[in-house]
Amino acid sequence: AQTVTQSQPEMSVQEAETVTLSCTYDTSESDYYLFWYKQPPSRQMILVIRQEAYKQQNATENRFSVNFQKAAKSFSLKISDSQLGDAAMYFCAYNGGGGNKLTFGTGTQLKVEL
Amino acid sequence: EAGVAQSPRYKIIEKRQSVAFWCNPISGHATLYWYQQILGQGPKLLIQFQNNGVVDDSQLPKDRFSAERLKGVDSTLKIQPAKLEDSAVYLCASSRTMTGTYEQYFGPGTRLTVT
Repeated sequence: AQTVTQSQPEMSVQEAETVTLSCTYDTSESDYYLFWYKQPPSRQMILVIRQEAYKQQNATENRFSVNFQKAAKSFSLKISDSQLGDAAMYFCAYNGGGGNKLTFGTGTQLKVEL
Repeated sequence: EAGVAQSPRYKIIEKRQSVAFWCNPISGHATLYWYQQILGQGPKLLIQFQNNGVVDDSQLPKDRFSAERLKGVDSTLKIQPAKLEDSAVYLCASSRTMTGTYEQYFGPGTRLTVT
């Protein structure tokens, strides 16, 4: 079974600084997708960024980028120029094996300080 | 385009009572998911529908949980009887279909407290 591990329960960053959230996963499949979701206190899960495993190029979305290391099964999220609105719980998620099903990690609570 | 709708937003019940949650997916989305998110954990898939058929319910506690999507549109998740460990946020999500990889859009969730 696929597993997703987020080893940082909490992270803090100063406004305008850069922070990196870590995620590792375990799978025997070669074709899959990885995601980072943001969950603010409103509980609404919002997709931040996605990465297709067959693509070597790391995905970027404005201030958000990933470092995808397929051999190491590592998928970290970098947030540049952090803003107060980035404060939320961040979940790493895996989708593979067909059926479009997501397996989530336990999340990292990000705090943004002035 | 309207998002995924869920109701109620909050529910408090006593153990052994029953409760039902409702979800209306984005129009045209064939696949609907119910997730359970216990405090401090990531969401866990309970059941997945493709139109009105069940695709995966392997993690649904079938002795107490049931779900239906009779007309292939909105869905209801029921718990009967509830236990203390059922306290969680129940998230509904939908996607255009389940073949390939389509983004899942989530609703605001229902927070259930069982006392």
